[in-house]
Amino acid sequence: DQQVKQNSPSLSVQEGRISILNCDYTNSMFDYFLWYKKYPAEGPTFLISISSIKDKNEDGRFTVFLNKSAKHLSLHIVPSQPGDSAVYFCAASYKEYGNKLVFGAGTILRVKS
Amino acid sequence: GAGVSQSPSNKVTEKGKDVELRCDPISGHTALYWYRQRLGQGLEFLIYFQGNSAPDKSGLPSDRFSAERTGESVSTLTIQRTQQEDSAVYLCASSPPWTDYGYTFGSGTRLTVV
Repeated sequence: DQQVKQNSPSLSVQEGRISILNCDYTNSMFDYFLWYKKYPAEGPTFLISISSIKDKNEDGRFTVFLNKSAKHLSLHIVPSQPGDSAVYFCAASYKEYGNKLVFGAGTILRVKS
Repeated sequence: GAGVSQSPSNKVTEKGKDVELRCDPISGHTALYWYRQRLGQGLEFLIYFQGNSAPDKSGLPSDRFSAERTGESVSTLTIQRTQQEDSAVYLCASSPPWTDYGYTFGSGTRLTVV
């Protein structure tokens, strides 16, 4: 049972445009959500997070939006740069689950110059 | 060290053999996690160590899998009698005590069982 789903395996965007990566979840207990970025042959690196008490968190070019009623979150990257090309993982957790994270399968983002 | 170090980076083993994967966390990080990523899938939680507390082993897929951690340092993940479905990238991560989810991941060990 996939509790965190990233339904788009890949996304291709032109440099300078907006990249929107989507994530859906099924467990209503999740109260903390994160995005990780992964380059080939490297481990994932933390990008941005959001608590369920918020609906938006922004950090530079990266913004995460959370829609609790739809159990949906998205990562917006504006403007997209070729160096953003990577695999993006959505992850979620809740307090009673401890420090463990449930990850989606990832979306490959390609930013074309 | 500066980051989480995992060894070996690649391991090819024959079905039925035992393997040991090693993780050196960042110094001072009390929490250590093992995840694995099979082809086309997300990261799957395996086991979590936090300081001197009993480890959370709820993600280990079978009794062929075990892990140990010495104090707040090195951890080894052991897979006995490897099967082809064990083929995956095994990722270790660590985090400091004051950050719940600020994992720092290693580069992983790519395990191939032939």
